[in-house]
Amino acid sequence: LAKTTQPISMDSYEGQEVNITCSHNNIATNDYITWYQQFPSQGPRFIIQGYKTKVTNEVASLFIPADRKSSTLSLPRVSLSDTAVYYCLGQNNDMRFGAGTRLTVKP
Amino acid sequence: DVKVTQSSRYLVKRTGEKVFLECVQDMDHENMFWYRQDPGLGLRLIYFSYDVKMKEKGDIPEGYSVSREKKERFSLILESASTNQTSMYLCASSLQLLAGSYNEQFFGPGTRLTVL
Repeated sequence: LAKTTQPISMDSYEGQEVNITCSHNNIATNDYITWYQQFPSQGPRFIIQGYKTKVTNEVASLFIPADRKSSTLSLPRVSLSDTAVYYCLGQNNDMRFGAGTRLTVKP
Repeated sequence: DVKVTQSSRYLVKRTGEKVFLECVQDMDHENMFWYRQDPGLGLRLIYFSYDVKMKEKGDIPEGYSVSREKKERFSLILESASTNQTSMYLCASSLQLLAGSYNEQFFGPGTRLTVL
């Protein structure tokens, strides 16, 4: 199982770039790395997925080194509305979200 | 857009009551999931189903059962509610997993259940 490890919490200020790193040492060859975002009082939602190198969309960027044992979710110029819990999954059939990383953006 | 709906946003029940939480998805997804979320513990998988009438236990199935009589509907049943089942319950659905691919889960808004 590609168990993932990520920080429990992070604080940031508006306008800063936030990087959340997740380790997945046992990731399998065919597995994707997927990140979800959960706002308070809502269910999680998919935000980005990658296999290797870099993926960018309107929400975030995902950086994956060649060995794929870790990945970094990058949120550019965060705002207060980016306060949420971010979950990293490192296995295609992963149903275990864990506790995620609680990001708090301060004014 | 995929839509996953849950029957109630808030629910208050008494200890010992039988509780039904309903979840409906409108995208013909094969897989459906029930999670509970508690502060500091993240999302924990209770049960999942990959087809009609099929069910698999997750990490914390004790005290719960499920029913999937139709593809679009997945029900979570608390046979005799207890105070330690006070929690946020989240339902999700996804397409059937294909080898070498990942199918994202789509979540409902959640039901906050309080057992008194």
